[in-house]
Amino acid sequence: DSGVTQTPKHLITATGQRVTLRCSPRSGDLSVYWYQQSLDQGLQFLIQYYNGEERAKGNILERFSAQQFPDLHSELNLSSLELGDSALYFCASSVGRGLDTQYFGPGTRLTVL
Amino acid sequence: AQTVTQSQPEMSVQEAETVTLSCTYDTSESNYYLFWYKQPPSRQMILVIRQEAYKQQNATENRFSVNFQKAAKSFSLKISDSQLGDTAMYFCAFNNNDMRFGAGTRLTVKP
Repeated sequence: DSGVTQTPKHLITATGQRVTLRCSPRSGDLSVYWYQQSLDQGLQFLIQYYNGEERAKGNILERFSAQQFPDLHSELNLSSLELGDSALYFCASSVGRGLDTQYFGPGTRLTVL
Repeated sequence: AQTVTQSQPEMSVQEAETVTLSCTYDTSESNYYLFWYKQPPSRQMILVIRQEAYKQQNATENRFSVNFQKAAKSFSLKISDSQLGDTAMYFCAFNNNDMRFGAGTRLTVKP
């Protein structure tokens, strides 16, 4: 158990819908990262927040957005969902801004029908 | 831009044997971290081992050890006494304030 929690574990929805994925980092960690992993693919970095502020942006679609709250939990919002958005979404956390170890949550499996 | 290359898409090993997974990376930076993560069929991403670039000594964690060759930009993972539970996808990762992952090596441990 990494100490990073993600909810829900599974999510099934229809095209065009909007969903919110939630992540709670390990105690003491200030950074939260979001990754997308499609079936049998590598990890695509989406976005990083550090202590409430966006720090880095990767291959995140405009239909996707994220935020980190004062209690340091983070939410990833996915809207106007398409079939291709079906994937495993990971949250990771680390202590500092970047040059340290990332610990991953169990992931949220999103299925868009 | 930093890149991470895992040249072995798939590997297999007999139970109790030793296997080495390869990883090379490209960077002009001198301060960075390297990692191996394991992703078993459950799809959980599990940290296996970490190496700080400034440390000359190779990291070890029980049956897992690395061969870190900084000049050659090589970071291989050796798994000794392979167990069935080691069957997983293994990702090499490079971090210099910007985490990059390799494409992964699928390892199968055969009984």
